[in-house]
Amino acid sequence: EDQVTQSPEALRLQEGESSSLNCSYTVSGLRGLFWYRQDPGKGPEFLFTLYSAGEEKEKERLKATLTKKESFLHITAPKPEDSATYLCAVQGSYGGSQGNLIFGKGTKLSVKP
Amino acid sequence: EAGVAQSPRYKIIEKRQSVAFWCNPISGHATLYWYQQILGQGPKLLIQFQNNGVVDDSQLPKDRFSAERLKGVDSTLKIQPAKLEDSAVYLCANSFTPYEQYFGPGTRLTVT
Repeated sequence: EDQVTQSPEALRLQEGESSSLNCSYTVSGLRGLFWYRQDPGKGPEFLFTLYSAGEEKEKERLKATLTKKESFLHITAPKPEDSATYLCAVQGSYGGSQGNLIFGKGTKLSVKP
Repeated sequence: EAGVAQSPRYKIIEKRQSVAFWCNPISGHATLYWYQQILGQGPKLLIQFQNNGVVDDSQLPKDRFSAERLKGVDSTLKIQPAKLEDSAVYLCANSFTPYEQYFGPGTRLTVT
């Protein structure tokens, strides 16, 4: 069964304090791994898609990396506006979840000024 | 480019009542999804449409949930009768490619 586990559940950082969020996954044939940002009362906002191990993508203070078993979302020198829940999802090639996104529970990030 | 529109944004109903949600997708995005997001959880797929046709509804509780997509554009999701455990945010998402999905703001349903 395809599965996504995110850690930690919650993370509190001081402004400027860099850290990483983890997403561990098991999937039958990875088509893609996705990172989304979700603000309270809003739908998830697309950030990145990673397709193969070794791939990296960056956007402002965020950098996503992918291995065969996990992905990391690195946040460099975060600002209070980076506070949100970050969701990881995988899309498999086979089985019941083919083509569909399987989401983790998310990591709630709080950045204090 | 306009985003995904959903209405209503909030709905409070009593158990055993019925409710409907509406989604207006991004123009030209053929694939439409409905997700259920329970508080503290990630979204869970309920149903996927490709144009007018259903691609996957394996996780849709068909005894109470139904969905349709009109002319490959707008979509409605209905719950009848609602249960307490249906309290959640219902998200509509669209995609143009098989990979990137774009979400609407969601409808927060509270069943009392």
